[in-house]
Amino acid sequence: GEDVEQSLFLSVREGDSSVINCTYTDSSSTYLYWYKQEPGAGLQLLTYIFSNMDMKQDQRLTVLLNKKDKHLSLRIADTQTGDSAIYFCAETGDSSYKLIFGSGTRLLVRP
Amino acid sequence: NAGVTQTPKFQVLKTGQSMTLQCAQDMNHNSMYWYRQDPGMGLRLIYYSASEGTTDKGEVPNGYNVSRLNKREFSLRLESAAPSQTSVYFCASSFQLAGGKNIQYFGAGTRLSVL
Repeated sequence: GEDVEQSLFLSVREGDSSVINCTYTDSSSTYLYWYKQEPGAGLQLLTYIFSNMDMKQDQRLTVLLNKKDKHLSLRIADTQTGDSAIYFCAETGDSSYKLIFGSGTRLLVRP
Repeated sequence: NAGVTQTPKFQVLKTGQSMTLQCAQDMNHNSMYWYRQDPGMGLRLIYYSASEGTTDKGEVPNGYNVSRLNKREFSLRLESAAPSQTSVYFCASSFQLAGGKNIQYFGAGTRLSVL
């Protein structure tokens, strides 16, 4: 079945780069997504990548997709304290109406 | 532009009580969703409505019912609340695009405790 896995926790120093990793199982997923959740708030779309792309860059965010290994990563350059949040990876489910979410990676940015 | 609005923000129920969580979106989206978020488990889909007039079960529908009242509104009802339904509930809406792109927009959540 469909499954998305992420590590639970990442701690980095302010100004360093953060890399959050995700593995997924459904090779037919057409799009893969990264969402951010700040404390007490809903999820906010950060970026997404089409499955025929290897990389997508958007300001401080870089998404890398290794389709062969079903591995997705989100790199945040020059990480700031405001980047502290939970980051969710998601893939398209068995229907384009569904998203399958990972359990989230909590990013803590230390001053 | 409010986006996705959920009410209430917080709720405490006793076991066996019923309640309805309300959700409304003003983005003219076709599809709406209800998720629950539990620690360490990400978001799990309860029900979704692909378009006005249709609803379908998600991953964890037991104990819940939904109503797609119109294009804007999608409510979630707990008929007889149980402690296992203590969770944070999120409503989302989306507009399906060609090629399977599904960008979902989320409300701020309803924090529900069942005692």
